Amino acid sequence: NAGVTQTPKFQVLKTGQSMTLQCAQDMNHNSMYWYRQDPGMGLRLIYYSASEGTTDKGEVPNGYNVSRLNKREFSLRLESAAPSQTSVYFCASMQDPNQPQHFGDGTRLSIL
Amino acid sequence: QKEVEQNSGPLSVPEGAIASLNCTYSDRGSQSFFWYRQYSGKSPELIMFIYSNGDKEDGRFTAQLNKASQYVSLLIRDSQPSDSATYLCAVPPSGTYKYIFGTGTRLKVLA
Repeated sequence: NAGVTQTPKFQVLKTGQSMTLQCAQDMNHNSMYWYRQDPGMGLRLIYYSASEGTTDKGEVPNGYNVSRLNKREFSLRLESAAPSQTSVYFCASMQDPNQPQHFGDGTRLSIL
Repeated sequence: QKEVEQNSGPLSVPEGAIASLNCTYSDRGSQSFFWYRQYSGKSPELIMFIYSNGDKEDGRFTAQLNKASQYVSLLIRDSQPSDSATYLCAVPPSGTYKYIFGTGTRLKVLA
């Protein structure tokens, strides 16, 4: 049971570089989410997609873009990475708002 | 602004004791309540959910919900050192797809 798969697991970037974090779920869930978690901090919502074809901003969207490629896949793009974006990024999915969210293993991103 | 609040801890309990973790929320319309466990360096893992007032038990874990007072709690009986982790409370506000996560309570079970 794969659940939610995130790639890559680790990445080091230089300031100004761009990259895309990938997320795929095999649970046929409608909604998908991107969070960041800084050391010793809680989860902060970056963007979410309530259903295929829709995306909305969360708490900290600046510097990020997302694409809901299809029902399974939801990607997060950093166009011009900044050291403040060094964090652990989690993707999550859920069937509907009264169901639990299921998380991927995370991507640990360092920006130098 | 919908909120979910937890004490950050650390909450230290001896092995074998009951650990009690609390969470308050602001949206009276919330219908579902979740507890996640997060080990250091790992992703959050769902351990309990509760939808109705009262208690829900699953093994050593009991979730308690009091909608009138707007709090949800998690009891861990016979605490083990392996229970040492951060516990996140999550409450989806009514009418939205955005979960609200508390900042988590760090639990330390002392052997």
